[in-house]
Amino acid sequence: GDSVTQMEGPVTLSEEAFLTINCTYTATGYPSLFWYVQYPGEGLQLLLKATKADDKGSNKGFEATYRKETTSFHLEKGSVQVSDSAVYFCALKSSGGGADGLTFGKGTHLIIQP
Amino acid sequence: GAGVSQSPSNKVTEKGKDVELRCDPISGHTALYWYRQSLGQGLEFLIYFQGNSAPDKSGLPSDRFSAERTGGSVSTLTIQRTQQEDSAVYLCASSLTGAVYGYTFGSGTRLTVV
Repeated sequence: GDSVTQMEGPVTLSEEAFLTINCTYTATGYPSLFWYVQYPGEGLQLLLKATKADDKGSNKGFEATYRKETTSFHLEKGSVQVSDSAVYFCALKSSGGGADGLTFGKGTHLIIQP
Repeated sequence: GAGVSQSPSNKVTEKGKDVELRCDPISGHTALYWYRQSLGQGLEFLIYFQGNSAPDKSGLPSDRFSAERTGGSVSTLTIQRTQQEDSAVYLCASSLTGAVYGYTFGSGTRLTVV
């Protein structure tokens, strides 16, 4: 079945540091890939997505590239801010039929220190 | 509406009581999902509705949990005879059908069983 694996947290960085949160997946067919962000006390918000190989999703300074050859969708940001502190979830949605649902990773808690 | 609306935002209930949680999805979204998020944990899938099809109930943790979706729109998640382990944030999401569409989440209902 489909699965998403992302790096365990918490990840603690200083402000203006470079961020990478790794995400790899296993899926049938040709999935779409997503990153969601959950700020403290809030629901999940879609951060970015990519729907086919080599696509790059980007939003709010974050980027992720759909790499089919390595089945990865790593999240990156060049210079993080304290306001980026949140939990980040990688997810996929398979086009291979069956339930039309997202498969989520377990989430990575990111803490940015001033 | 503009987003997914959940009510109540917070609910404190006594052990053994029944509770109902409501989700009002985005108009036109055919798919609706319920997830549970316990403190510091990832997302636990509960149930999925797609149009007029029979729901996917495979994630419901026990027969105390049930959900319905009336008229293909509003959904209610009911927990009977609540237990302390039911304490969590219950998240609802809706989406259009298709692999390229992500979910839009509500802000969740924080349930505390005392």
